[in-house]
Amino acid sequence: EPEVTQTPSHQVTQMGQEVILRCVPISNHLYFYWYRQILGQKVEFLVSFYNNEISEKSEIFDDQFSVERPDGSNFTLKIRSTKLEDSAMYFCASSVEGKLFFGSGTQLSVL
Amino acid sequence: AQTVTQSQPEMSVQEAETVTLSCTYDTSESDYYLFWYKQPPSRQMILVIRQEAYKQQNATENRFSVNFQKAAKSFSLKISDSQLGDAAMYFCAYRSVSTGANSKLTFGKGITLSVRP
Repeated sequence: EPEVTQTPSHQVTQMGQEVILRCVPISNHLYFYWYRQILGQKVEFLVSFYNNEISEKSEIFDDQFSVERPDGSNFTLKIRSTKLEDSAMYFCASSVEGKLFFGSGTQLSVL
Repeated sequence: AQTVTQSQPEMSVQEAETVTLSCTYDTSESDYYLFWYKQPPSRQMILVIRQEAYKQQNATENRFSVNFQKAAKSFSLKISDSQLGDAAMYFCAYRSVSTGANSKLTFGKGITLSVRP
């Protein structure tokens, strides 16, 4: 069964460093998303992406964040200068016909 | 803005028994989707079941079924014949239709379900 793939599964970085989280959505899906979950809290929407542009973003998704689909398969989330409070599980998702499928997440730890 | 409330932080069920997880939501929209997602210790988000608000019939997926009460804005998940593998965090989620079929999900805080052998 096709699945959303995320790499790496764990990322440790120093505060102030840039990180790029990578995702390969399911191949026939057209909508892509990033969500995050701080430990013990609910899953929060960050951004959605369609037709090579952002279709919606939350208040969390400030100028430190950016997304890109650099080729036909990858979808990336970049955090330019990480903060301690960016430590969370980041989930990529893609959808078709209104059904959302999540990747297994990247656990980002900012030290 | 829509909100999703899961007021029970934890529940426990005996293996093979039935358990119901509660969820309420607030919206001014008449058409929307509701979901239950399961998050096991691996933390992957797995879609359990989906309900379309315009459908009166409650959705079912094998041992999982929902009780959708549109007027009360209630969307509970019933797990029958509970299994040890059902132990996980369960999230209720809402998606608007008016903003597009692929718009964002709004999640509740989740409920931790434990299954006693």
